[in-house]
Amino acid sequence: AQTVTQSQPEMSVQEAETVTLSCTYDTSESDYYLFWYKQPPSRQMILVIRQEAYKQQNATENRFSVNFQKAAKSFSLKISDSQLGDAAMYFCAYRRANAGGTSYGKLTFGQGTILTVHP
Amino acid sequence: DSGVTQTPKHLITATGQRVTLRCSPRSGDLSVYWYQQSLDQGLQFLIQYYNGEERAKGNILERFSAQQFPDLHSELNLSSLELGDSALYFCASSVKGDTGELFFGEGSRLTVL
Repeated sequence: AQTVTQSQPEMSVQEAETVTLSCTYDTSESDYYLFWYKQPPSRQMILVIRQEAYKQQNATENRFSVNFQKAAKSFSLKISDSQLGDAAMYFCAYRRANAGGTSYGKLTFGQGTILTVHP
Repeated sequence: DSGVTQTPKHLITATGQRVTLRCSPRSGDLSVYWYQQSLDQGLQFLIQYYNGEERAKGNILERFSAQQFPDLHSELNLSSLELGDSALYFCASSVKGDTGELFFGEGSRLTVL
């Protein structure tokens, strides 16, 4: 079974600074997808960034980027120029892919990391 | 707005009671997933339906059941409620053959007193 581990229950960062959230996962699959979701106080689960395992290039979305290390099964999220609105719970998630490369099935989530942004 | 609609947003009930949570997926999405989020268990996958049929089961209690109707909306039924069932219940949907994320509703907050 796939497992996702976030070892940092809480992190904090000063506004405008950079912070990195850690995530490791365990799978025997070679094709899969990894995600970071954000859950602000409003409770809505919002996709931050997505990474396909077959792509070597790390995904980037504006101030958010990942460091995907497939061999090490590591998937960290870097938030640059942190803003007060980035304060939220962040979840790392895994989803398997089928032989055709498309994802299917459930998302498996890590335990989450609470990010606090200090003004 | 993810396009996934969940009702009710909040629900308070007593132990031993039964409640039904409703989910309408995004237009065109055939898969519906139910998740439970509690403080001590995190986000737990409960069950998945695809086009009306159960596709996968997770940590769903026997007191809980779900179904997906021909119009693709889904209901999660929770019976003989216990204090420990208090949680946020999310519904999510996706398209078959997609390349990415699940789209989540805003959740239904259940409080069992």
